[in-house]
Amino acid sequence: SQKIEQNSEALNIQEGKTATLTCNYTNYSPAYLQWYRQDPGRGPVFLLLIRENEKEKRKERLKVTFDTTLKQSLFHITASQPADSATYLCARRKDTGRRALTFGSGTRLQVQP
Amino acid sequence: NAGVTQTPKFQVLKTGQSMTLQCAQDMNHEYMSWYRQDPGMGLRLIHYSVGAGITDQGEVPNGYNVSRSTTEDFPLRLLSAAPSQTSVYFCASSYSTGDYEQYFGPGTRLTVT
Repeated sequence: SQKIEQNSEALNIQEGKTATLTCNYTNYSPAYLQWYRQDPGRGPVFLLLIRENEKEKRKERLKVTFDTTLKQSLFHITASQPADSATYLCARRKDTGRRALTFGSGTRLQVQP
Repeated sequence: NAGVTQTPKFQVLKTGQSMTLQCAQDMNHEYMSWYRQDPGMGLRLIHYSVGAGITDQGEVPNGYNVSRSTTEDFPLRLLSAAPSQTSVYFCASSYSTGDYEQYFGPGTRLTVT
């Protein structure tokens, strides 16, 4: 099955800076990637979906890129705030023809005031 | 709309006991799934359903059963609980296949002693 990898080490940044999180995948390029936010003790919340024919997608302070050559997606939060502190997960379709998602283990972001 | 609801929120079982985790959604979503989340391992898919009467296995189905008799409900049954099933369980739903954003429930924290 396809794998999806995120940096398991926490990312600590100062308020106001841009946070950049990485999601790498193996084998075939997925038709899309999804990004979720998860706060402690709660379920993940959908943020953005980017398709393979979209190099970049934006939503307010969030930006996602999709590089099929590098097999990588980058998730950026500009002008970060302490309220952005959470774990961020990326997900892809599990296998071709199977309608299920596989998730990365997530990267914890801590924004210091 | 209540979205995706899960009961119970917390549960402690003894090894060998059985129980059912309840999941319901009021968004008329066709696709529902169950994940377990363990520290450092991310979300792992247990079972999923693409519509009433249709279910399929995910990555870690052993020890769990599901059925989908209605669009709204997707219960997860633990047949004979084992300590390895100690985890946080999330139910999710989406409009159609996994290609759409997933809506997650608040989770059930299960401890098996």
